[in-house]
Amino acid sequence: KAGVTQTPRYLIKTRGQQVTLSCSPISGHRSVSWYQQTPGQGLQFLFEYFSETQRNKGNFPGRFSGRQFSNSRSEMNVSTLELGDSALYLCASSSGTNLDTQYFGPGTRLTVL
Amino acid sequence: SQQGEEDPQALSIQEGENATMNCSYKTSINNLQWYRQNSGRGLVHLILIRSNEREKHSGRLRVTLDTSKKSSSLLITASRAADTASYFCATDGAAGNKLTFGGGTRVLVKP
Repeated sequence: KAGVTQTPRYLIKTRGQQVTLSCSPISGHRSVSWYQQTPGQGLQFLFEYFSETQRNKGNFPGRFSGRQFSNSRSEMNVSTLELGDSALYLCASSSGTNLDTQYFGPGTRLTVL
Repeated sequence: SQQGEEDPQALSIQEGENATMNCSYKTSINNLQWYRQNSGRGLVHLILIRSNEREKHSGRLRVTLDTSKKSSSLLITASRAADTASYFCATDGAAGNKLTFGGGTRVLVKP
């Protein structure tokens, strides 16, 4: 099976812009979760989508949003970018049960100038 | 916020030695997972241990879980230079697939 794919791998934006990141889960997986990784805050949970519905949400402002399509692919959007949004954004896919392994993609490195 | 704390934050060993790192967490869990990350890349899943398990092995990896102490350890035996990476523990609780990560242990294996 192909692994989790994320596009783009690298992105440079300026403050105030918005950005959309994409994640394609492992075939057959219905859950996609998003995480932000920064040197200061470490790995933090953003949100989880399961069968096109947001099932869990972390403590991030409303500028961070996401969605999931019927084929389980997911996108996350960050509006009005701030310097502090510079991070590695990781998505993880799983079957959706809480006893299952989450498999991570390679991440999208976002730099906000 | 991070559920867990990992100890040590950094570890430097010679090739062939064993590496042990510990993870503590705060709330009850369903599972605990260990991941490896090389130089800011994606996370590679190493092993999952369920809350009703006490020890699990996978190749050169041995994981223990003590739910009474809310702690876990990861042992890498006969380390190799390729084991150089950051290692993270992650727990999930009642809230579905939300993983809470520790701060990670940076391991350097010197050839």
